[in-house]
Parts: sequence; C-alpha cells; structure tokens
Amino acid sequence: DAGVIQSPRHEVTEMGQEVTLRCKPISGHDYLFWYRQTMMRGLELLIYFNNNVPIDDSGMPEDRFSAKMPNASFSTLKIQPSEPRDSAVYFCATAGQGVYEQFFGPGTRLTVL
Amino acid sequence: AQSVTQLGSHVSVSEGALVLLRCNYSSSVPPYLFWYVQYPNQGLQLLLKYTSAATLVKGINGFEAEFKKSETSFHLTKPSAHMSDAAEYFCAVTLYGNNRLAFGKGNQVVVIP
Repeated sequence: DAGVIQSPRHEVTEMGQEVTLRCKPISGHDYLFWYRQTMMRGLELLIYFNNNVPIDDSGMPEDRFSAKMPNASFSTLKIQPSEPRDSAVYFCATAGQGVYEQFFGPGTRLTVL
Repeated sequence: AQSVTQLGSHVSVSEGALVLLRCNYSSSVPPYLFWYVQYPNQGLQLLLKYTSAATLVKGINGFEAEFKKSETSFHLTKPSAHMSDAAEYFCAVTLYGNNRLAFGKGNQVVVIP
C-alpha cells in the first residue's frame, strides 16, 4: 500500500486566494482526520470523518475553512479566502475501524503571502 | 477530556546515552497510549502503542515505553541514543471506542555527537 497520499506537498499562494488540499486515504480505512501543525500551536485536529461523514468539525478555525469527503478514496480541505495566519503544515491521517493507530500522510506545507 | 503532558520542549542527549522522554496522561478510564516520531519534513510515524496488553511495550528503532497506572505515566526510553534519533516525539492518548487522539506538545530531541 502506498500509504496516505497528500497533494500538493508545497503550496505558496497570496492572501485572498482559494487553497485546496487533497488527501487519498489508505484503502479500507474508515476514519480520516485533518490536522494543522504550527510552531506556536503544535498539532491541532481540525475535523474528522467516519465513513465519509463529518463527525466533529469543532477544530475548524473559521468559516473560511471547509472539508469534504465525497467518497472513501478522497478528501479535500479548502481555505477561502486564505490569510497569512493560515500558513502551516496540514496533515491528513487515516485509521481503520476498531484500530486506534492513525497513519499520517507526508503533509502539505502551505505558505500564504 | 483525556489529555497528555510532555515536559521540556527540547531535550539534548549525548550519542550513546539514555534517551528518556516523559509523558503523563489524564484519563478517567483505561486509556490507549501512543508514541509517534516526526523526522524533519515528514509526517508522524508510530513508534509504539499501549492497548491494555503488556505494560512494557517495545517499538521500532530500539525504543520502549512502560505503562504505569499508579503514576499515570507512559515514559519513552532508549538505552543508547543514535544520531538518527534526532526528531520530534509526540505522546498521544485516546479512549476505547473513540478514534480521536489527543497529542502532547512534543519533545524536540537533539543528539550531541
């Protein structure tokens, strides 16, 4: 298995632009998590899905952030409009039903100028 | 809510010396506990996990951790540090039946030759 795949690996954009981050989970995993990592705030859970349904989005910082999981093979995290304070590394992680270990992707490093 | 505490954001250790990273958890019910490692510019990778079986857990790269209920601790150790152990280490906790993980703030380990 290729593991969790995230794209792009790096994204540089200007303030106000829309940013879309993508994640392909490990086949058969029922849970998908989106995290944000910064020096100041550490690792934060933004939202997670179970069987493509959002379960808890309380970590999503603002309405500018949205996440979707249209099918078991794909999820997106969108920021519109982006702001410099959104600069961070965004991780996608997945887990199987009844298995509490999470498998992390390589992350997307986002820089908003 | 469940949580973990990791003290000392930066830990320096000499090559060949003992690596000891402390993790204390807060939980009203038996937890599942994890240690993850993050190498530069990579995602988090599972080192080891405790899921209510043996209290002494062995992981990859010579690391091990011991679950001590009386001390609510899950400290990570390695007898002899190697230069390749330089990374950030995260302790995490979840509850049975809950796939969310609560992460500590992490320990940045520096290995001194």
